[in-house]
Amino acid sequence: SQKIEQNSEALNIQEGKTATLTCNYTNYSPAYLQWYRQDPGRGPVFLLLIRENEKEKRKERLKVTFDTTLKQSLFHITASQPADSATYLCALDDSNDYKLSFGAGTTVTVRA
Amino acid sequence: GAVVSQHPSRVICKSGTSVKIECRSLDFQATTMFWYRQFPKQSLMLMATSNEGSKATYEQGVEKDKFLINHASLTLSTLTVTSAHPEDSSFYICSAPRAGAYEQYFGPGTRLTVT
Repeated sequence: SQKIEQNSEALNIQEGKTATLTCNYTNYSPAYLQWYRQDPGRGPVFLLLIRENEKEKRKERLKVTFDTTLKQSLFHITASQPADSATYLCALDDSNDYKLSFGAGTTVTVRA
Repeated sequence: GAVVSQHPSRVICKSGTSVKIECRSLDFQATTMFWYRQFPKQSLMLMATSNEGSKATYEQGVEKDKFLINHASLTLSTLTVTSAHPEDSSFYICSAPRAGAYEQYFGPGTRLTVT
């Protein structure tokens, strides 16, 4: 069966450190992978998209890697700030039809 | 950036009644919109794809007669939960992609509580 697994439900880090989140998938062959941020009681907000032929993508303090051999994506928040505290979701579109399957998310808490 | 709105943001209804949730794309046209459901501490689960001018397509296990979807225009999709039961209580979220892009723009969500 298809599965998307994100590492540990919660990640607590000190301000200024780097948070690294993992997304592993099985029985998917996505052409691209996306990361979203979700705050409590709100809808997800798009952060980054990485295609299967891209190894790494950056946006400000965010970095995403995509390894289709390992079937894994890593999401890094560098120089973390308390405002980065949220749940981060990885999402796959397996059929190129915009229908997204989501991981359960990792909740990041950045301590001042 | 693209904006998607939902209305209402919260609704409480009695068991057996119907509730309509609206999803609007405010600054772009969306021929396709998606409806998701999210239970506490769980991820988003796709319920159905709303297609402008044609019938919605539903994911396996989602009852189309219970969750009625209408995509009446290029900026509006509605989800009606019919004969609601307490187990339908959840966070309902819609999304839409902009033409030519893969990223999705999500609405702020609607918290439905059925008593």
